[in-house]
Amino acid sequence: NAGVTQTPKFRVLKTGQSMTLLCAQDMNHEYMYWYRQDPGMGLRLIHYSVGEGTTAKGEVPDGYNVSRLKKQNFLLGLESAAPSQTSVYFCASRGYEGTQYFGPGTRLLVL
Amino acid sequence: AQKVTQAQTEISVVEKEDVTLDCVYETRDTTYYLFWYKQPPSGELVFLIRRNSFDEQNEISGRYSWNFQKSTSSFNFTITASQVVDSAVYFCALRSSGNTGKLIFGQGTTLQVKP
Repeated sequence: NAGVTQTPKFRVLKTGQSMTLLCAQDMNHEYMYWYRQDPGMGLRLIHYSVGEGTTAKGEVPDGYNVSRLKKQNFLLGLESAAPSQTSVYFCASRGYEGTQYFGPGTRLLVL
Repeated sequence: AQKVTQAQTEISVVEKEDVTLDCVYETRDTTYYLFWYKQPPSGELVFLIRRNSFDEQNEISGRYSWNFQKSTSSFNFTITASQVVDSAVYFCALRSSGNTGKLIFGQGTTLQVKP
């Protein structure tokens, strides 16, 4: 039982490059979330999904896209990376009474 | 509006001291959930506790205890006899109303426990 996993753990991109962050959970949770964590800003919600095949925008969705083709996976895509997207990205899935279980995070540096 | 405030940005204590991390929340919901998470230097976010608005009983888990008071909209976290391994950033969070279910996080309190 791995819980929530994220790949990759760390990535360096050049401005304009694209990439996909993968999140996987083995707890059969319906809801999944992508957050970004920046110094002094706390955690902010990028996108979320209430179930397979559904996605919705969070607080800071611009520059990101997501897909939830399978219940256990939630992908976050950056179409054209910008330095402002340098951050730590966390995926979470939601369990009992709204408790969110987080993955280990992906540290992204955009040059 | 829903909001979580952790007024203490950084706290430094010496090992074995007791320390309390403050959390004040705002919500108009009558039913809500509050959480504490720990983020150690390794970076992961670790769930510590969940408390729903129906239950104001304080909770103790080993050296950790939580004081939930609806009258003051506070959900404070106390570590008794702190240890170096308690050094981390601690986040208080409120589960938002509506279908999103997103967590609204405070800014976090960095706790440094010195040997």
